[in-house]
Amino acid sequence: DAGVTQSPTHLIKTRGQHVTLRCSPISGHKSVSWYQQVLGQGPQFIFQYYEKEERGRGNFPDRFSARQFPNYSSELNVNALLLGDSALYLCASSLRSRGVTEAFFGQGTRLTVV
Amino acid sequence: AQTVTQSQPEMSVQEAETVTLSCTYDTSESDYYLFWYKQPPSRQMILVIRQEAYKQQNATENRFSVNFQKAAKSFSLKISDSQLGDAAMYFCAYRREYGGSQGNLIFGKGTKLSVKP
Repeated sequence: DAGVTQSPTHLIKTRGQHVTLRCSPISGHKSVSWYQQVLGQGPQFIFQYYEKEERGRGNFPDRFSARQFPNYSSELNVNALLLGDSALYLCASSLRSRGVTEAFFGQGTRLTVV
Repeated sequence: AQTVTQSQPEMSVQEAETVTLSCTYDTSESDYYLFWYKQPPSRQMILVIRQEAYKQQNATENRFSVNFQKAAKSFSLKISDSQLGDAAMYFCAYRREYGGSQGNLIFGKGTKLSVKP
């Protein structure tokens, strides 16, 4: 079975531009979460979606937005990119939104803002 | 707010030896889970071991075991018979449960483990 897949794997953008990152969860998984991992730090929570509804939002500016589609795949959008947005963006999927359920991570998208 | 602290930025162990990675957390919740994740250079986060807060028994997964001290809010990872493939960043993470729903993962800053042959 395919794991969590993220695209693209690497991306270089210019300050002020917009970026869309994509995530396909493991088949059957209905919950998708996004995390930002700055170099040398642990991942920080951005969004969680379950059944196409936002279930949680981290402390990130409104430039960050996300959505989940009927097939449970998800997009993370970032507007007006800043140099500080350079990071590894991780997507995690899980079977459901509660209880003992493991989060499976993708390999991430490395975003560099120049 | 919940926090997770890993006080060891780097650790080193000889192959076949045992190493313990430390983690402390702060929470006022009673219902939560604790995790250790491994992140090799390939970047993918891999779950190593999980501990439910309501369970007194320490979790074990093959060569990996935890020492969960709930009152002290401590959650250390012991790796026995260390192998070269264990070299990676290790992250301690916390997740609360509330209203029947799952909270997000809160990660520490990580510990870089090197394994010497």
